[in-house]
Amino acid sequence: GQQLNQSPQSMFIQEGEDVSMNCTSSSIFNTWLWYKQDPGEGPVLLIALYKAGELTSNGRLTAQFGITRKDSFLNISASIPSDVGIYFCAGQRDFGNEKLTFGTGTRLTIIP
Amino acid sequence: GAVVSQHPSWVICKSGTSVKIECRSLDFQATTMFWYRQFPKQSLMLMATSNEGSKATYEQGVEKDKFLINHASLTLSTLTVTSAHPEDSSFYICSAGGREKLFFGSGTQLSVL
Repeated sequence: GQQLNQSPQSMFIQEGEDVSMNCTSSSIFNTWLWYKQDPGEGPVLLIALYKAGELTSNGRLTAQFGITRKDSFLNISASIPSDVGIYFCAGQRDFGNEKLTFGTGTRLTIIP
Repeated sequence: GAVVSQHPSWVICKSGTSVKIECRSLDFQATTMFWYRQFPKQSLMLMATSNEGSKATYEQGVEKDKFLINHASLTLSTLTVTSAHPEDSSFYICSAGGREKLFFGSGTQLSVL
């Protein structure tokens, strides 16, 4: 099946640093979602974006819905140890109860 | 908030046996549920869309006779891995939609010996 291209694949940062990751697609999505997954758990929704150009924040997290509808960005400011995990973007073609296409994931590791 | 419960969390079985995984929406009704599979260090791949009261819709390459899906009520979908083999070992995750968002279960780690 289709996957969205997510970069970087992995990141090694120090606590307190800011983090940026992005997700691109060859086709348009009408909703972009960002999830975090801890080992052995299901993904947890961080931010949902419903409108092209939209910039939405959730605490230290900020995400943007690209104008072309083919990309999205997630930024994490002042990283803390609990930010460690795998971050996935996901695209949804129709608002509401539609299947998701997931990105390839970004693994975030914080170096002590 | 809305919660999706998935059971069991992990299961170990012998090759050739069948395993059933349950996905329940606890405080909302879900006419549609989704089943994903995730191999180690990989992303989630949609296997099938489970529709209450009708047949599931399978993604290309997913064997419908091997992965049986039943969605008999608005709060329960089950995935049965029939005649499991070691290559079926994976993390299986379900999701269900509330009014505006999809919520994920905590996943089931299947290990086939």
